[in-house]
Amino acid sequence: AQSVTQPDIHITVSEGASLELRCNYSYGATPYLFWYVQSPGQGLQLLLKYFSGDTLVQGIKGFEAEFKRSQSSFNLRKPSVHWSDAAEYFCAVGNSGGYNKLIFGAGTRLAVHP
Amino acid sequence: EAGVAQSPRYKIIEKRQSVAFWCNPISGHATLYWYQQILGQGPKLLIQFQNNGVVDDSQLPKDRFSAERLKGVDSTLKIQPAKLEDSAVYLCASSLLSDQPQHFGDGTRLSIL
Repeated sequence: AQSVTQPDIHITVSEGASLELRCNYSYGATPYLFWYVQSPGQGLQLLLKYFSGDTLVQGIKGFEAEFKRSQSSFNLRKPSVHWSDAAEYFCAVGNSGGYNKLIFGAGTRLAVHP
Repeated sequence: EAGVAQSPRYKIIEKRQSVAFWCNPISGHATLYWYQQILGQGPKLLIQFQNNGVVDDSQLPKDRFSAERLKGVDSTLKIQPAKLEDSAVYLCASSLLSDQPQHFGDGTRLSIL
């Protein structure tokens, strides 16, 4: 069965430091992968997506992610974290391709120290 | 454009009571989703509508949960009777079509006492 694993439940970084959030997926075919961000009390916002092509994808708010098929990973990165990046981050896979039938990981909560 | 609207934002009920949530999607969006997000977990799809028809309700506990999307616009999700394990945030999302990005509302936080 398709699944998404986010190994880190909680991560704390200092403002200005680099960030990498891990995501591993299990999917039989070519995956459609997503990263979403959720601020407290709000819905999810799409940061970026990978459907095909270049394995390094750029998103909003300075985030990027790299698809590595050999490692079944889709890690999210940001070179310099801002205090406003504190939120919960969810990795997801499109179960039937595309944006449809999303399966989410359990999320990683990011705290940013000043 | 206006986003996905959900109400109420918070609801506290006792177990075995009933509750209903309302969602107004972005204008013109044909596809509507309801997700359940239990604390410490990612959102789980409960039901997907295409216009006023159900596309997928495989994970909807049909013995207590029901949803409808009359006229293919607004939708309501109902729980009757509620159980303690139903405590969660219920998120509504909509998309122009099923193969387009989903836009999420801010959710309804349900607490069962």
